[in-house]
Amino acid sequence: DTEVTQTPKHLVMGMTNKKSLKCEQHMGHRAMYWYKQKAKKPPELMFVYSYEKLSINESVPSRFSPECPNSSLLNLHLHALQPEDSALYLCASSQRTGGENTIYFGEGSWLTVV
Amino acid sequence: AQTVTQSQPEMSVQEAETVTLSCTYDTSESDYYLFWYKQPPSRQMILVIRQEAYKQQNATENRFSVNFQKAAKSFSLKISDSQLGDAAMYFCASIFDSWGKLQFGAGTQVVVTP
Repeated sequence: DTEVTQTPKHLVMGMTNKKSLKCEQHMGHRAMYWYKQKAKKPPELMFVYSYEKLSINESVPSRFSPECPNSSLLNLHLHALQPEDSALYLCASSQRTGGENTIYFGEGSWLTVV
Repeated sequence: AQTVTQSQPEMSVQEAETVTLSCTYDTSESDYYLFWYKQPPSRQMILVIRQEAYKQQNATENRFSVNFQKAAKSFSLKISDSQLGDAAMYFCASIFDSWGKLQFGAGTQVVVTP
């Protein structure tokens, strides 16, 4: 069982809606990530929070905004999405200390934009 | 540019047989990490095996082993005694930077036949 928990598992939203995806980890990890994955493609990195600092993939549109309330929680706020944003959104975390860089993934949140 | 390349879109193997998946990468960094992840139809991203670039010894995890050739920038995965549950998409991935950003290859679909 994964120790990275994502909610909701499935989300259907209209293009004018505002919604959020939530991610939580209880492994004491200091870095958390959001990835977007389309069918039959590898995951693409969207955002990284590492030691309270944010790194953004500059190709990600502003209708996606991350929030990291504390080192265990990572939210992805969604606003005015487009149908092409429909995808699997994967949250992940990593310890990032003592040379331990392994990234562990949650089960994903399936997003459909209608 | 740092890249991860998987040139085999699909590999087929019979139960109990062995299959090897290829992965090459390109980087100018001397310190990096390499991983193989498995993604079954559930789309859960599962860590299979990891290798630190500074370690010469090839990593093994039960039926999974890697052949890490640093000079050739090659990182292949061998699955021994293949089982039906091994059927999945396998991604080769690497962390090249200090943010711990995971960069993926295109993936190899493994099909296991009885």
